[in-house]
Amino acid sequence: AQSVAQPEDQVNVAEGNPLTVKCTYSVSGNPYLFWYVQYPNRGLQFLLKYITGDNLVKGSYGFEAEFNKSQTSFHLKKPSALVSDSALYFCAVRDGYGNNRLAFGKGNQVVVIP
Amino acid sequence: SQTIHQWPATLVQPVGSPLSLECTVEGTSNPNLYWYRQAAGRGLQLLFYSIGIDQISSEVPQNLSASRPQDRQFILSSKKLLLSDSGFYLCAWSVTGGAGPYGYTFGSGTRLTVV
Repeated sequence: AQSVAQPEDQVNVAEGNPLTVKCTYSVSGNPYLFWYVQYPNRGLQFLLKYITGDNLVKGSYGFEAEFNKSQTSFHLKKPSALVSDSALYFCAVRDGYGNNRLAFGKGNQVVVIP
Repeated sequence: SQTIHQWPATLVQPVGSPLSLECTVEGTSNPNLYWYRQAAGRGLQLLFYSIGIDQISSEVPQNLSASRPQDRQFILSSKKLLLSDSGFYLCAWSVTGGAGPYGYTFGSGTRLTVV
């Protein structure tokens, strides 16, 4: 079965500094990978996805993520963090065949310090 | 375009009272539907998922149940709430067949507090 690991509970970053949220995955076949963001008392919002093609994908709010097949990683990045980026971030994966449900990571709390 | 509605946004219920949370999807047919619970603002726990009317799978045994009386309606229920049922409940949908290239779309959530 597919699985996702988000090793850090919380990521603290100063405003204006680069932001990275780590995600590694385990699947059978080629993965579909997703990042979602959740603000307090709100549902999860889609940020970006990797299905196929370029390893670097760009998404909403200036976020991007790099698919690395050899390292089975899909880290989320933003070159310059904003205070408004403070939120909970979830990585999710489904495998290329078989189980077609998403497996979510535990989530990473990002705190951007002014 | 597709939209998902979830209500109520907040709910405070006494222990032992019944529960009914509703989720509806518009603009699509035969979606897969999901109920998640999120405790303390962290990880998502899948409670139920449905691939069609009256076709529901339970992921976690507990005093909650789900029903899908119509194609785009998904209801989470309980006959008697426990304190441990408190949490943030999220409904989500995906295209027929599961999480295709578009992943899941989530509702805005219901904050349930059992007192």
